Amino acid sequence: TQLLEQSPQFLSIQEGENLTVYCNSSSVFSSLQWYRQEPGEGPVLLVTVVTGGEVKKLKRLTFQFGDARKDSSLHITAAQPGDTGLYLCAGRGADGLTFGKGTHLIIQP
Amino acid sequence: NAGVMQNPRHLVRRRGQEARLRCSPMKGHSHVYWYRQLPEEGLKFMVYLQKENIIDESGMPKERFSAEFPKEGPSILRIQQVVRGDSAAYFCASSPLPGDGYTFGSGTRLTVV
Repeated sequence: TQLLEQSPQFLSIQEGENLTVYCNSSSVFSSLQWYRQEPGEGPVLLVTVVTGGEVKKLKRLTFQFGDARKDSSLHITAAQPGDTGLYLCAGRGADGLTFGKGTHLIIQP
Repeated sequence: NAGVMQNPRHLVRRRGQEARLRCSPMKGHSHVYWYRQLPEEGLKFMVYLQKENIIDESGMPKERFSAEFPKEGPSILRIQQVVRGDSAAYFCASSPLPGDGYTFGSGTRLTVV
């Protein structure tokens, strides 16, 4: 069974600060996806990373896939209250798409 | 260009009743996935279907749960004789190809009383 560990589980910071959340596994994935979920809604796909070492930027969000394709990080610069949500990583492997439990992020104005 | 449509948004059932959850995938998507979400467990895979076929049902309990994706109409997740432990948010997602990113619906929140 492929497991994805996300850390931290909860993070509350002030508007304007920077933050990084992590997604780690002992398994190798062919690709990794990040989703954001808001209360009462389904997850929304933010990005897919495929190549080891790949870095993708989405405005103030920077996603990196580890060289060994076992881990990933999401860095947010100058966080805003609109960034509040549950951030989920999902790895694609032999078992299909496996989700981590997510990082609950709260950005306080 | 509607996204993934799930209904109902909220469903309340008494113990022992049946729950039917519907999911219409995005136009052009033939791959449908059902997930269950509980706050302490995260998103758990249940079943993967492609038109008229169940591809992977390894995450779905063998008793009381069934899923279908007919040639015409939405995908249905059916839970018979519901118990309190079935209370959760059930999400459906679709993709154009198996390896693509998923588009999720807004979910059905099932409460068993």
